[in-house]
This record gives sequence, C-alpha cells and structure tokens, in this order.
Amino acid sequence: DAGITQSPRHKVTETGTPVTLRCHQTENHRYMYWYRQDPGHGLRLIHYSYGVKDTDKGEVSDGYSVSRSKTEDFLLTLESATSSQTSVYFCAISRTSDIQYFGAGTRLSVL
Amino acid sequence: AQKVTQAQTEISVVEKEDVTLDCVYETRDTTYYLFWYKQPPSGELVFLIRRNSFDEQNEISGRYSWNFQKSTSSFNFTITASQVVDSAVYFCALSDHFPHNDMRFGAGTRLTVKP
Repeated sequence: DAGITQSPRHKVTETGTPVTLRCHQTENHRYMYWYRQDPGHGLRLIHYSYGVKDTDKGEVSDGYSVSRSKTEDFLLTLESATSSQTSVYFCAISRTSDIQYFGAGTRLSVL
Repeated sequence: AQKVTQAQTEISVVEKEDVTLDCVYETRDTTYYLFWYKQPPSGELVFLIRRNSFDEQNEISGRYSWNFQKSTSSFNFTITASQVVDSAVYFCALSDHFPHNDMRFGAGTRLTVKP
C-alpha cells in the first residue's frame, strides 16, 4: 500500500466554521492532489501540488485553499464550510506523470 | 476539454457471467493516459490499469481485460466469469495535462455481482 494517511477520517462540523484536512505521505512523491467525490460526479479535482509551495487550482477550487510547506504534507482548508462541501475527500500522490495512488478518504459532513 | 463518459450507471449480473463496462472519452490532445480504478464497498480507490495513447494493444490480466480503440475514443473494461468480490464502483479516468497529470474521472459504474 502507498504510504498515504488522511486525517481525520470522519468529521462533522457546522456551517461557517473553518475546517482543515491533512494528507501525509511517506513516499517522497512530488505530486499531491485533493479530490472530492459526490454521487453522479465521480471524483473531481480541487487543487494539486507539484512541489513544496507550488500549487494550482483544479476543476472545483472555489471555497477551498491548500498549502504545502513540506514534501510530505498537503493541507486542504475550507475557510468557511458550507453544506455544499459535504462530501468524501480523497488525497492522491504520484511520482511524476504517473499513476496516482489514493488515501482512504475523509468523510466530511457540514450541518 | 477533457471529458469522460461512463453511460452505465449500474449493472447487475449473476456470478460467472461476463460483463463489460463502457468508457468513452474526449480530448483534443494526441498524448494522454487512460486509467481504470476500482472502489469496493470499503471505500478505498484501487488502481487497475494505465494505458497511454500510443499503445492500442489490448491488455489481459487474469479475468480482467481492456479494449482501447482510438477510432471510437473508447477504453472498455471486461470482467470474465465475474465473482461476488468484483462488486464495486469502477471509474474510468483521463489525463492529458502534463506533467501535472490532473485527472478527469467519469461518474462511475456500480457493478453488483449476485451469487
């Protein structure tokens, strides 16, 4: 198994509160990605990182920010959570333009 | 723009039947990768296969086989002699943005294999 840890695995929060999800890897891979999974949409890319402090937006980046201060950690922040951000969030890593390996996911509920 | 269409939302078969999951993609690029992932009921995403756009050879891995046809922009996945453990959601994905490799996924096909 790829060494990817997502935390927390489950979170319930209230509308308007900030939330930070963490992805930690032990593979020293350059690329890290955040996706959200919703019924009928598959997985959609939120943000990705191609190195420390190098990030870019994906398909559904509105309402999300990311940071990568170390190779091994990629943080996803919801500055003010909304009910539309209730979803399952997956982190993925890849070495280059290569296969992406996914973490176990974080189930987030915004009430 | 990238687009991946998995028209079959749900498929139900009886064990030992063969089943094909369809995937149609759109891209303007001549260089791209196609992927299949499996998501079992436990929720994790498991990589199955990657195919690059220059390799149209079909691939077989045990009971799994993949048929890549550029002429119809399709990358179909067949499971032969299905088993209950094959029950999962299967995702097809496309990547044509290099080197960053951000992928576009289809909506997924839920396969149920009944004993």
